[in-house]
Amino acid sequence: NAGVTQTPKFQVLKTGQSMTLQCAQDMNHNSMYWYRQDPGMGLRLIYYSASEGTTDKGEVPNGYNVSRLNKREFSLRLESAAPSQTSVYFCASSEEWGLDTQYFGPGTRLTVL
Amino acid sequence: QQQVKQSPQSLIVQKGGISIINCAYENTAFDYFPWYQQFPGKGPALLIAIRPDVSEKKEGRFTISFNKSAKQFSLHIMDSQPGDSATYFCAASLNTGTASKLTFGTGTRLQVTL
Repeated sequence: NAGVTQTPKFQVLKTGQSMTLQCAQDMNHNSMYWYRQDPGMGLRLIYYSASEGTTDKGEVPNGYNVSRLNKREFSLRLESAAPSQTSVYFCASSEEWGLDTQYFGPGTRLTVL
Repeated sequence: QQQVKQSPQSLIVQKGGISIINCAYENTAFDYFPWYQQFPGKGPALLIAIRPDVSEKKEGRFTISFNKSAKQFSLHIMDSQPGDSATYFCAASLNTGTASKLTFGTGTRLQVTL
């Protein structure tokens, strides 16, 4: 099992460009999450999907959109990238809500010039 | 508003020593407190976790101490090893009824020296 996979690993964008970060999990998990990690700020939740067909905003959703394509895949889209969105993005999944473990992917390092 | 405060920001410990990282939270609705370990270039991975009805949990060299009345919890790493050098994040989970949402501390970079 690959666990949680993310593509791409690295990306450089110019201000105003758009892109989609892809995430897939092969653990048959119901819940999926997108976080961003910035120095000195820990990980902050952008959006999450409790189950297939549902999505909800997290702590820092502005400037992002998500799609839960099916049970395996959860994508994050930047419609018009800004330098403030330069960050490392992590996707995570968990079996169910409650006292469960979130499994993280390897991350995507995004730079917006 | 930082709902989970973590200290210290960085920590240097000699091999064999005890590493201690502290966290404090504000929201009494949090119902699960995991610690995640992250190595450079990797995603965080669950290290150990505790529920608020337990005051201590030990797994090998790693122990969580939990003080519900003070709204504080800490990670102790006994006999610290160079392989423990990583960034550690405390977190607090809130069950919304549809998903468990984690709020992370700002992280502690641990360096274990020989």
